[in-house]
Amino acid sequence: AQKITQTQPGMFVQEKEAVTLDCTYDTSDQSYGLFWYKQPSSGEMIFLIYQGSYDEQNATEGRYSLNFQKARKSANLVISASQLGDSAMYFCAMREGVIYGGATNKLIFGTGTLLAVQP
Amino acid sequence: NAGVTQTPKFRVLKTGQSMTLLCAQDMNHEYMYWYRQDPGMGLRLIHYSVGEGTTAKGEVPDGYNVSRLKKQNFLLGLESAAPSQTSVYFCASSYEGGQPLAKNIQYFGAGTRLSVL
Repeated sequence: AQKITQTQPGMFVQEKEAVTLDCTYDTSDQSYGLFWYKQPSSGEMIFLIYQGSYDEQNATEGRYSLNFQKARKSANLVISASQLGDSAMYFCAMREGVIYGGATNKLIFGTGTLLAVQP
Repeated sequence: NAGVTQTPKFRVLKTGQSMTLLCAQDMNHEYMYWYRQDPGMGLRLIHYSVGEGTTAKGEVPDGYNVSRLKKQNFLLGLESAAPSQTSVYFCASSYEGGQPLAKNIQYFGAGTRLSVL
């Protein structure tokens, strides 16, 4: 069964420092997608970054980058130069396996990591 | 820039009452989803729809029904609410998943906080 594991329930980081949020996944599919979402205290889910399983380069979106290690089945989120506004819950998610010719695009989420950025 | 809109934002029910949560999207997305979020469990898929008039069960469908009569709307119904359905409910939508490795980002509404007493 496909599964996402986030082993860090909570983390602290100093403002302006970089932080890595861990995510490992389990799937037997060859084609899959990995996502990170941010959930601030206001509650909405905000898409941050995407990595396809065949992407050769790690995805980057501004201060966010995804450290994709396919052999280890890990997709860690790296936030550079942390800001106070980065304090939030972060969820790693995987798009469920694809049947050739179509996809339901269902996401499987991890349990999240609560990040606190300290001044 | 409405995106995905959920109503209501908050609701308190008594056990056994019924209610309907409404999700509306203005992005012409084919696919829509309902999730629930509980502490320590991330988001879990309740039901989803891959097009107007279609619905399918997700991971935790028991106690819920859905309807997708119009492409832009996806309704989640609780026929007889139970305390175990106290949760935050999120609706999301995305383009169709025809391309296996396409991004097909799911865009989420702001959530509905439901308490069942």
